[in-house]
Order: sequence, then structure tokens, then C-alpha cells
Amino acid sequence: AQSVSQHNHHVILSEAASLELGCNYSYGGTVNLFWYVQYPGQHLQLLLKYFSGDPLVKGIKGFEAEFIKSKFSFNLRKPSVQWSDTAEYFCANRGSSNTGKLIFGQGTTLQVKP
Amino acid sequence: GAVVSQHPSRVICKSGTSVKIECRSLDFQATTMFWYRQFPKKSLMLMATSNEGSKATYEQGVEKDKFLINHASLTLSTLTVTSAHPEDSSFYICSAKTAQETQYFGPGTRLLVL
Repeated sequence: AQSVSQHNHHVILSEAASLELGCNYSYGGTVNLFWYVQYPGQHLQLLLKYFSGDPLVKGIKGFEAEFIKSKFSFNLRKPSVQWSDTAEYFCANRGSSNTGKLIFGQGTTLQVKP
Repeated sequence: GAVVSQHPSRVICKSGTSVKIECRSLDFQATTMFWYRQFPKKSLMLMATSNEGSKATYEQGVEKDKFLINHASLTLSTLTVTSAHPEDSSFYICSAKTAQETQYFGPGTRLLVL
């Protein structure tokens, strides 16, 4: 079965530190990869997505992610985090689904200390 | 970005009653919507794929007679939790898929069954 794995379950950083959240997917075919963020008490919002083309994808709020096909990875990065980045982050892959359903990772809780 | 709404945002009901949750895509049409449950500190669990004009596709282990899904128009899907029990208490989230294969999420509905 297809799967998405997020290695870091809980990350604590100080403001201005750099961030990298890992995401690996299992499907080796066509991928549609997403990162979503869920701020406390809010709904999931799309940060960025990769379908094809430039493997370095830039999203909103200064986030970016790099698709590395050989490593089946789609890690999320931000050079300098802010307290307001405290949230739950989810990686997802559409994989082979013809309905468009997403397979989500377990999520990573990011806590940024002011 | 695309906007998805859910109603109600919060509902409390007695055990044995039914509850209907609405999911609407406000500024785009969605032939496919999805229903998820989210448990505290957990990722999203896909319950079913809702297809406009046809029967929903349920994930393994999800009772279709308990969680009735209707997708009567291109902007509205409803989830009815029938004969609700306390174990059905959860956070229910819907998403709607755009023609560009991107899912946008609603704000969720908190269901508490007493």
C-alpha cells in the first residue's frame, strides 16, 4: 500500500532558526505532492504543491520544498522560522489514485519559541 | 485561493439521533469532495470520497450505512451521521478538489455525542 512518512513528530525551535521537516512517500510512479499547515484552531491550508517541473517549489509564507525523486522525498524548509509558524504540518501524496484522494503523513507538530 | 465552508462548526447531540454536516465549495465547482475524521494530535483519516451524481466510495472499515454521504450538486456534499453514539464524537473535515487536482479543506465540524 502507498504511504507517506513524516519522520519528525514534534519539533521545537527558537525563532530565527532554520527548519527542515522530512517527508518520504512510497509510490514510485507519478506523484502529486503537497504540504498543508494547520494553525491552532484553524483549518488545513495549502502551503505548496509539486506536480512536475522544477523540483524546488516555493510556497506561501517563505516556505519551500524540494522534490528528490531518487530519495522519494519532499522535505519542507524555511530558512528562518517565526513564532507564528507554530502549527501542525502535513505532507500528502496523491499517488496513483484516480479519484484524487490524498495519502497523508502522520503530521509534524512544530513549536517555535519566541 | 479556493474556499470551502462547513456547517455547522460545532454540534452537540444526544445518542441515537442523526446529525447532518454540510460541505460547500464557495467559489469553484467540485465534482469530487472528501470526508475525513481527525483525532486529537493525529493525522486525517479519510472516510469516503464523495462524487457528484453518484454513490460515494467508502474507505475500508467505514460503515456506509452509518455515515451517509450525498453529493447532490457541484458545490455541496453532506455527511449524515446516523444513530450517533459517543464513539462518533470527533472532528469531521471535508475537502473539495479543484479541476487542477488540488484539495482545499473546510474548517471542520466538531461533533459531540452525549
